[in-house]
Amino acid sequence: DIVMTQSPDSLAVSLGERATINCKSSQSVLDNSNNNNYLAWYQQKPGQPPKLLIYWASTRESGVPDRFSGSGSGTDFTLTISNLQAEDVAVYYCHQFYTLPRTFGQGTKVEIK
Amino acid sequence: QVQLQESGPGLVKPSETLSLACTVSGGSISSYYWGWVRQPPGKGLEWIGYIYYTGSTHYNPSLKRRGTISLDTSKNQFSLKLTSVTAADTAVYYCARADGYQMPYDYWGQGTLVTVSS
Repeated sequence: DIVMTQSPDSLAVSLGERATINCKSSQSVLDNSNNNNYLAWYQQKPGQPPKLLIYWASTRESGVPDRFSGSGSGTDFTLTISNLQAEDVAVYYCHQFYTLPRTFGQGTKVEIK
Repeated sequence: QVQLQESGPGLVKPSETLSLACTVSGGSISSYYWGWVRQPPGKGLEWIGYIYYTGSTHYNPSLKRRGTISLDTSKNQFSLKLTSVTAADTAVYYCARADGYQMPYDYWGQGTLVTVSS
């Protein structure tokens, strides 16, 4: 199984500032034949299902604000939330959809400082 | 707009079988991958498995062959059965849709809490 490890486990950021979440996979999730990274980011608020934010490591899902951006390749990935808003308080998960079984990171809780 | 809704008992006794259904509305169950993901209270997400509209399935080996996912196209529904449950199977169970074999889950149900307890 590909193990997904996120850091930090939690972080507190001031409104309007930047939040950065890292995700490392135990194996590469890059398909060299098409240069796609099979890595997604989800946002989960209390009592709600996960919401897809980003896939292919950096492609924003339709309707997702552009303050959310993803980067990275191979085994190291980053989710950046620029200009943090109060509604961004949530747990964020990275997820690899490259191999079976599909796996998720342990989650990173983002709070307001 | 595609919507998914889980249904089933919220309480299951240890050693019995957990049975959940996911009803898909606003779209056909054909041509997509349909999955189950669970989340123990206060913990992270665990992928359970998927079924393709053709009926092919794959499960997380961590379930130790206790899981079965099936499809009922006449009801636009797919189901999860998990046998020999223990307290460790207590979780919110989500059904979800992926738009391809190597695609993330883009539509999710609201989730249903299943508690395993006598």
